Amino acid sequence: GAVVSQHPSRVICKSGTSVKIECRSLDFQATTMFWYRQFPKQSLMLMATSNEGSKATYEQGVEKDKFLINHASLTLSTLTVTSAHPEDSSFYICSAQRGTSRTTDTQYFGPGTRLTVL
Amino acid sequence: QQPVQSPQAVILREGEDAVINCSSSKALYSVHWYRQKHGEAPVFLMILLKGGEQKGHEKISASFNEKKQQSSLYLTASQLSYSGTYFCGTEIKGNTPLVFGKGTRLSVIA
Repeated sequence: GAVVSQHPSRVICKSGTSVKIECRSLDFQATTMFWYRQFPKQSLMLMATSNEGSKATYEQGVEKDKFLINHASLTLSTLTVTSAHPEDSSFYICSAQRGTSRTTDTQYFGPGTRLTVL
Repeated sequence: QQPVQSPQAVILREGEDAVINCSSSKALYSVHWYRQKHGEAPVFLMILLKGGEQKGHEKISASFNEKKQQSSLYLTASQLSYSGTYFCGTEIKGNTPLVFGKGTRLSVIA
């Protein structure tokens, strides 16, 4: 159990377009979902935390108008990169957990989405 | 504040042991260990909450020192399947975002 999927796995888009990435918990209800960005051979950088039915909480330095997050149901969260530019190219990973405790609830990660902006 | 992981990379032969460290200049609330294989999602290994705690099983275990500023991950009698990048994620306070270290790349060769 505890499988998280992401779609698409890879996407290439032109500069200025918007891209939507979906994160689904397949066999459990995810009260909380997280979105991370990972650069090559670098660590996971938390972008935002989303709780079902409420607005996402963004980390310092992350533009909320550029990275739109929607957590409309207990199994789906979406990240939309608006007006994408080459510097937005990265590996985006989501994770989901059943509860709201960051300490004791295990985060289950999706397989990631490789975004390339030309 | 990002924890410091060491070593950055290590190559082992099957059957050898490895220790990966995760250090912080401040006392931590918790340490979470993950393993990520190339192109795959990070997979949760374990969480440590108490100073002096040791947990895990015979092959993969971890400790959290008394001051709660360092955690070590122990890989015993390594197998090819242990290859991947190991990350520690830390909390300074309870229920706060995990801050991940830069990772330790472990390669196990036959």
